[in-house]
Amino acid sequence: NAGVTQTPKFRVLKTGQSMTLLCAQDMNHEYMYWYRQDPGMGLRLIHYSVGEGTTAKGEVPDGYNVSRLKKQNFLLGLESAAPSQTSVYFCASRTSGGTGELFFGEGSRLTVL
Amino acid sequence: GNSVTQMEGPVTLSEEAFLTINCTYTATGYPSLFWYVQYPGEGLQLLLKATKADDKGSNKGFEATYRKETTSFHLEKGSVQVSDSAVYFCALSDSGTSYGKLTFGQGTILTVHP
Repeated sequence: NAGVTQTPKFRVLKTGQSMTLLCAQDMNHEYMYWYRQDPGMGLRLIHYSVGEGTTAKGEVPDGYNVSRLKKQNFLLGLESAAPSQTSVYFCASRTSGGTGELFFGEGSRLTVL
Repeated sequence: GNSVTQMEGPVTLSEEAFLTINCTYTATGYPSLFWYVQYPGEGLQLLLKATKADDKGSNKGFEATYRKETTSFHLEKGSVQVSDSAVYFCALSDSGTSYGKLTFGQGTILTVHP
């Protein structure tokens, strides 16, 4: 029972490099989210998607892009990485409507040198 | 906008001690409230939730009551175990068209010693 799977789990980048984080869920959830976790700041929403082909900005979207070409996948891209993007990134998903539980991946730790 | 404030941590307790982690919130309307737990090296998982005033969420010996008059959702457990060591996050989901987005508190690190 995979749930929400994130790849890669660890990555080190140099300033200016680009990369993509992949999130895949096998629960047929409509909504998907990307959060970043920084010490003392909790989780902050970067971007989210309410369905295939749709994306929207969250609280801290600058420097990131996302795509949701398939319902089960939600990609987070960094076009030109900066040290301020050093963080742990979490993907989450849930069903639409009601007060459904968010299901989280195990996180991806990104370090930008 | 919405916000969630948790008590400052970290919290260190001995096994079987009583636990309280304070959480207060600011929101428009009638939010749903959640506690999530993050064990070392893992993602967050739902611990308990409450969707309306005076509701009590409970799970694994943890409890929290939705208090609209004090805008609070404090987490309690009568007797903690070493296995409860984790980071605890309070969160809210606005009742409006928020598409399930959660606003999180900063997290409270709990360490329980034998």
